[in-house]
Amino acid sequence: GNSVTQMEGPVTLSEEAFLTINCTYTATGYPSLFWYVQYPGEGLQLLLKATKADDKGSNKGFEATYRKETTSFHLEKGSVQVSDSAVYFCALSMNRDDKIIFGKGTRLHILP
Amino acid sequence: EAGVTQFPSHSVIEKGQTVTLRCDPISGHDNLYWYRRVMGKEIKFLLHFVKESKQDESGMPNNRFLAERTGGTYSTLKVQPAELEDSGVYFCASSLHRQGISEKLFFGSGTQLSVL
Repeated sequence: GNSVTQMEGPVTLSEEAFLTINCTYTATGYPSLFWYVQYPGEGLQLLLKATKADDKGSNKGFEATYRKETTSFHLEKGSVQVSDSAVYFCALSMNRDDKIIFGKGTRLHILP
Repeated sequence: EAGVTQFPSHSVIEKGQTVTLRCDPISGHDNLYWYRRVMGKEIKFLLHFVKESKQDESGMPNNRFLAERTGGTYSTLKVQPAELEDSGVYFCASSLHRQGISEKLFFGSGTQLSVL
């Protein structure tokens, strides 16, 4: 079946460090790919998305590129801030399907 | 505009008891979804309402779980009787249109359920 695998956390970085959170997927067909973020005490929010191969999603300094050849959608940010501390979820959805399939989430701690 | 509201934010109950979780979607959103995250695992789909009708309940784990959405507004998710493995965070989400590429899906902050 369709699934998402993302790197285990927690990930702890210093402010202004470079961030990569790895995500790979397994899907029959061509999914749309997403990164969701959950800040402390809040609901899940869509951070960015990509709907086809080679698309790059970006938001708030974060980027992820849909790589069909490696079935990956790694999340990157060049310089993290303390306010980026949150749990990040990689996810996929098949077109015309009403379910989102999530990864296990990666907790990110940014130290000042 | 108010977002998706879930109540309670936390619930601690004993095994065998009954718990009812509530979700108030964004006003006017016909589509309402329940998801669950068990400790350390993926967030998993439970079910989807379109107005008051269950569109897809393929993710409901067993018959101890009952979801309702009378009148097509708020929804409740009842667990009876609760078991230890039901502990986790229960998320509700709503959207105006079908989920599709999930662009306009709004999540609540979740209910943390602990079954002791």
